[in-house]
Amino acid sequence: DAKTTQPNSMESNEEEPVHLPCNHSTISGTDYIHWYRQLPSQGPEYVIHGLTSNVNNRMASLAIAEDRKSSTLILHRATLRDAAVYYCILRDGTRGQNFVFGPGTRLSVLP
Amino acid sequence: DTEVTQTPKHLVMGMTNKKSLKCEQHMGHRAMYWYKQKAKKPPELMFVYSYEKLSINESVPSRFSPECPNSSLLNLHLHALQPEDSALYLCASRGISSYNEQFFGPGTRLTVL
Repeated sequence: DAKTTQPNSMESNEEEPVHLPCNHSTISGTDYIHWYRQLPSQGPEYVIHGLTSNVNNRMASLAIAEDRKSSTLILHRATLRDAAVYYCILRDGTRGQNFVFGPGTRLSVLP
Repeated sequence: DTEVTQTPKHLVMGMTNKKSLKCEQHMGHRAMYWYKQKAKKPPELMFVYSYEKLSINESVPSRFSPECPNSSLLNLHLHALQPEDSALYLCASRGISSYNEQFFGPGTRLTVL
């Protein structure tokens, strides 16, 4: 399985944009890039996913490098509620692999 | 209804007890999962059910016994657990298309004395 690496922790100020990086240099052509987050005392929740093109939804944007070896999750205006552990996960869409969670990035949002 | 429910929220059990965790979803998802999460660690996959059949067992000890009685329910039967089994147990479900997201429940916090 292709691996991902993320910073252990990041800090952001409230109402400022946050860019959470993820490196996945061994990504294969059929791997989708998924982002989940886990708020304190809750189960993980889906944030966004993409394959090659940048993606936007109501929660965030996903910017994927042209060579697909890295991606960045963008929260446009961080709120206190966005404080969570963010997981970047690769999943092969053709082989139906299961999600393998890495350590993730713990995001702190300062008021 | 886009919710996965888990009961109980908390469970304390002795090493000789038998207990069960329950997970329920009504989204029509045919893939259901059990994960184990220790404090400050990522979730680790334990079992996967696809169309009510066990498709993956990630070398989990036999003291954990999963059961999928129908397409909406997933149980995890616990027997003779050890203190190191204390963790948050998460259930998740997913639509069967490869691109579908997983929906997670809030988890059951298990303490083994």
